[in-house]
Amino acid sequence: EDKVVQSPLSLVVHEGDTVTLNCSYEVTNFRSLLWYKQEKKAPTFLFMLTSSGIEKKSGRLSSILDKKELFSILNITATQTGDSAIYLCAGGDRDDKIIFGKGTRLHILP
Amino acid sequence: GAGVSQSPSNKVTEKGKDVELRCDPISGHTALYWYRQSLGQGLEFLIYFQGNSAPDKSGLPSDRFSAERTGGSVSTLTIQRTQQEDSAVYLCASSPRRGTGGYQAKNIQYFGAGTRLSVL
Repeated sequence: EDKVVQSPLSLVVHEGDTVTLNCSYEVTNFRSLLWYKQEKKAPTFLFMLTSSGIEKKSGRLSSILDKKELFSILNITATQTGDSAIYLCAGGDRDDKIIFGKGTRLHILP
Repeated sequence: GAGVSQSPSNKVTEKGKDVELRCDPISGHTALYWYRQSLGQGLEFLIYFQGNSAPDKSGLPSDRFSAERTGGSVSTLTIQRTQQEDSAVYLCASSPRRGTGGYQAKNIQYFGAGTRLSVL
């Protein structure tokens, strides 16, 4: 059975800290690893990774995929209170079925 | 439409009643997904439609749950004889048509705001 496991489940840090969120996956016919940010309602897309070892970057956020070890990390540097959210990792297969992990609830203290 | 639209935004029902939740995907998107999210939890996969292919129903938790998609567009998720444990936010997402937007775009999902279901 396909699964996506995220850690930690929750994290509290101070503004300015750097955080690393982890995601491991077991997806048959894996094609892509996706990260989403969920604040109040709808998750919003952050990154999609398909190639191993290539970092995707957007501002203070970056992510990398290791297809050999079946995991990905999401880094957030110089965190701000606006980064507080649930960060969701998902694995997609070649049929476009997408399975989510339970998420990491990140809280940034001012 | 501009985005994925779900209705109603909130639904309160009594245990044992049937409910229908609606999802209007982004125009032209052929893939449509239903997920359930309990308080503080991640997204639990329910069902997935891709074009005219048979839907992947592997995530439906019981035979009280069913979904259909008419004309390859609007989808309805039906929960029969609701139970208190069905209380959750039900999220719908759609993805672009195969062959458009490049390989990378096909797996990106656009989510609706969800329907919050409360079963009393």
